[in-house]
Amino acid sequence: DAGVIQSPRHEVTEMGQEVTLRCKPISGHNSLFWYRQTMMRGLELLIYFNNNVPIDDSGMPEDRFSAKMPNASFSTLKIQPSEPRDSAVYFCASKIGQGSGYTFGSGTRLTVV
Amino acid sequence: GEDVEQSLFLSVREGDSSVINCTYTDSSSTYLYWYKQEPGAGLQLLTYIFSNMDMKQDQRLTVLLNKKDKHLSLRIADTQTGDSAIYFCAETPGTGTASKLTFGTGTRLQVTL
Repeated sequence: DAGVIQSPRHEVTEMGQEVTLRCKPISGHNSLFWYRQTMMRGLELLIYFNNNVPIDDSGMPEDRFSAKMPNASFSTLKIQPSEPRDSAVYFCASKIGQGSGYTFGSGTRLTVV
Repeated sequence: GEDVEQSLFLSVREGDSSVINCTYTDSSSTYLYWYKQEPGAGLQLLTYIFSNMDMKQDQRLTVLLNKKDKHLSLRIADTQTGDSAIYFCAETPGTGTASKLTFGTGTRLQVTL
């Protein structure tokens, strides 16, 4: 298995631009999570899906952030408009059921200038 | 809400044992995890323990859980320079099929020669 695949690995964009981060979970995993990692705040859960349905989006910072999971093999996290304080590493993770580990992707390093 | 605490830094000599500690507040925590993050990389699942267990051993890794004190530790035997990384403790309450993972602040392990 190729693991959780995220794209792009790095993204540099100008303030005000729309940014779309992509994630392909492990085949068969039914839960998907988006995390953000910064030096100041550590790892924060933004949103998670179970069977493609958003369960908890209380970690989404503002209305500028939105996430979708149109099918079991794809999810996007969109920031519109982006701001410099959105600069961080964004991780996607997936898991199957209880009692299993969460598998993380390699992350997308976002820099907003 | 849930809170997971770790010390920020640990330095050990190569060949010695490392012990990384973690405390958590959620008494309903069901699964507790240890992740490793190397510079510029994603999070690698090392091991996890179910809350009805006191200990789990996997090669050089030993996890100890004191549920009464809400204390989790990771012991790395014969620490190598390749073990230098940030180690994150994390917990899930285990309710529902897709419980969110709450991370500690991470402990940076430095292995010296």
